[in-house]
Amino acid sequence: KAGVTQTPRYLIKTRGQQVTLSCSPISGHRSVSWYQQTPGQGLQFLFEYFSETQRNKGNFPGRFSGRQFSNSRSEMNVSTLELGDSALYLCASSLAGVVGETQYFGPGTRLLVL
Amino acid sequence: DAKTTQPPSMDCAEGRAANLPCNHSTISGNEYVYWYRQIHSQGPQYIIHGLKNNETNEMASLIITEDRKSSTLILPHATLRDTAVYYCIERTGGTSYGKLTFGQGTILTVHP
Repeated sequence: KAGVTQTPRYLIKTRGQQVTLSCSPISGHRSVSWYQQTPGQGLQFLFEYFSETQRNKGNFPGRFSGRQFSNSRSEMNVSTLELGDSALYLCASSLAGVVGETQYFGPGTRLLVL
Repeated sequence: DAKTTQPPSMDCAEGRAANLPCNHSTISGNEYVYWYRQIHSQGPQYIIHGLKNNETNEMASLIITEDRKSSTLILPHATLRDTAVYYCIERTGGTSYGKLTFGQGTILTVHP
């Protein structure tokens, strides 16, 4: 079974631009979560989607948004990029996003904002 | 958010068992303990999880104390490829869908 895939793997943007990252979950998984990892803040939860609905959200500004499609694939968007948005963005999937399940992570998208 | 306490770093000799401790003194009855590891900024890799009982899989064993306030991850025969940051996580249920709260983890270095 294929794992979680993320595209692109690397991205360079400039301040003020916007960016869209994509995540394809493991087949059969309907819950997709997004995380941001920076050296200063570590791994932080952004949001979670299930059946095209955002069910949970972390403490990030509204510039960070996401969506999920009917095939469970998910995208996250960051608008008006800031230098501090440079990070590794990770996507994880699980069957239903509930406690007791296993959440599997993708390889991440490394975003550099200049 | 639920918090765990781990030592910042540990060393282990190749071929020996690596025992990584974790304190979760505020854990509640329906919270699981999860272990992940991350090798050199790759995506975190799932290792094991448990609620009350000890668990074992092909990668590791998880020993949870009877009062559930602490646990130990055991890698039975550490190799150089086990060098990574290991995260112990309390996973809360209820409406906390999809959320894992990562701490700083333990940097495990396996020496030849």
